Amino acid sequence: AQSVTQLGSHVSVSEGALVLLRCNYSSSVPPYLFWYVQYPNQGLQLLLKYTSAATLVKGINGFEAEFKKSETSFHLTKPSAHMSDAAEYFCAVITNAGGTSYGKLTFGQGTILTVHP
Amino acid sequence: DTAVSQTPKYLVTQMGNDKSIKCEQNLGHDTMYWYKQDSKKFLKIMFSYNNKELIINETVPNRFSPKSPDKAHLNLHINSLELGDSAVYFCASSSPRDANNEQFFGPGTRLTVL
Repeated sequence: AQSVTQLGSHVSVSEGALVLLRCNYSSSVPPYLFWYVQYPNQGLQLLLKYTSAATLVKGINGFEAEFKKSETSFHLTKPSAHMSDAAEYFCAVITNAGGTSYGKLTFGQGTILTVHP
Repeated sequence: DTAVSQTPKYLVTQMGNDKSIKCEQNLGHDTMYWYKQDSKKFLKIMFSYNNKELIINETVPNRFSPKSPDKAHLNLHINSLELGDSAVYFCASSSPRDANNEQFFGPGTRLTVL
């Protein structure tokens, strides 16, 4: 069964500093990987996704993530944090690769990002 | 313009009551999902329907009954509500034509059981 582990339930950075949110996955087949962001009292918004194309994936709001098969990782980064980046971030995996049209997203436990001035 | 919508946004009710949450998507997707986000923000799938057929049913109490009248709607009915049912419930949808398997989420329904 697939699983996702996000290292660090809370990450705090200064405005302008590098953001690094860690995600490791476990999957028996090539995975589809996603990062979602949840702002307070809001729904989930897709930041970016890896679908077996380029290993470096660029998303919205200046975020990017790199798929490293050897490390089973999909860490999320942003070169310079902004106050508006403060939110909770979820890494997720689907392993219904093989042409099926549906599958359950398995989420990590989430990482709360705090950005201070 | 709303892609995936849920009603109500907030639901406060007493233990033992029966309540429903509605979900609608206007993306033309064939597959819809219900996820539960508990008080610790952990997200877990509950159900999935494809073309009105139940395809994923996690270990959810049978007090929870999803109903899909058509491909664009997936409602969640909960009988005999318990305190532990308090959570945020998210609806999502996806398309078989989308090889990326991206799921689009609704804004969530915050259920509080008193």
